[in-house]
Amino acid sequence: SAVISQKPSRDICQRGTSLTIQCQVDSQVTMMFWYRQQPGQSLTLIATANQGSEATYESGFVIDKFPISRPNLTFSTLTVSNMSPEDSSIYLCSAQSGTGDTGELFFGEGSRLTVL
Amino acid sequence: GQNIDQPTEMTATEGAIVQINCTYQTSGFNGLFWYQQHAGEAPTFLSYNVLDGLEEKGRFSSFLSRSKGYSYLLLKELQMKDSASYLCAAMDSNYQLIWGAGTKLIIKP
Repeated sequence: SAVISQKPSRDICQRGTSLTIQCQVDSQVTMMFWYRQQPGQSLTLIATANQGSEATYESGFVIDKFPISRPNLTFSTLTVSNMSPEDSSIYLCSAQSGTGDTGELFFGEGSRLTVL
Repeated sequence: GQNIDQPTEMTATEGAIVQINCTYQTSGFNGLFWYQQHAGEAPTFLSYNVLDGLEEKGRFSSFLSRSKGYSYLLLKELQMKDSASYLCAAMDSNYQLIWGAGTKLIIKP
């Protein structure tokens, strides 16, 4: 199993500012992902964080808005840039353990952002 | 398109049994996951099915029918702590997870 620590757990931000969320995994994992979850809604994949290279973004998400870093196998950051109230959401870091593509997904506790 | 359907909300009584259904349509299929998410917390893994049939794990069981694009999560001997959202997710041919919106389960005494 993998334990994932995320910070900040919550923050209130002003419109136009940027915030970086950090994700630390307690073991080396093959895959790391960033999700967004609106209250009562499904998880939406933002991007796959690739170690040592640019992240792979899903449709509707771009690097300029959500730059992601993954300098090693246990750490990743997601920045929410130039925030607007529409960016208010819970952002979840997740990691996939195991050697196959169907390994179990573990989640961090989430970062609840409120943009005023 | 790809989609997952599951009921929005269900109510059950403590000590009873409840079945949460999930139907899926994906491009290819590499398995069906169930996660539990308590309010304000991260989702936690419950089960993974890739073959047809029933997988039992304590009070929780998960069933899959690939031909019908259907799965269910069965919770027995319900406890108050089982009140949570239950997320169904199907993995497509690209190993991408397609998530349902979750079923909010309310347990009453």
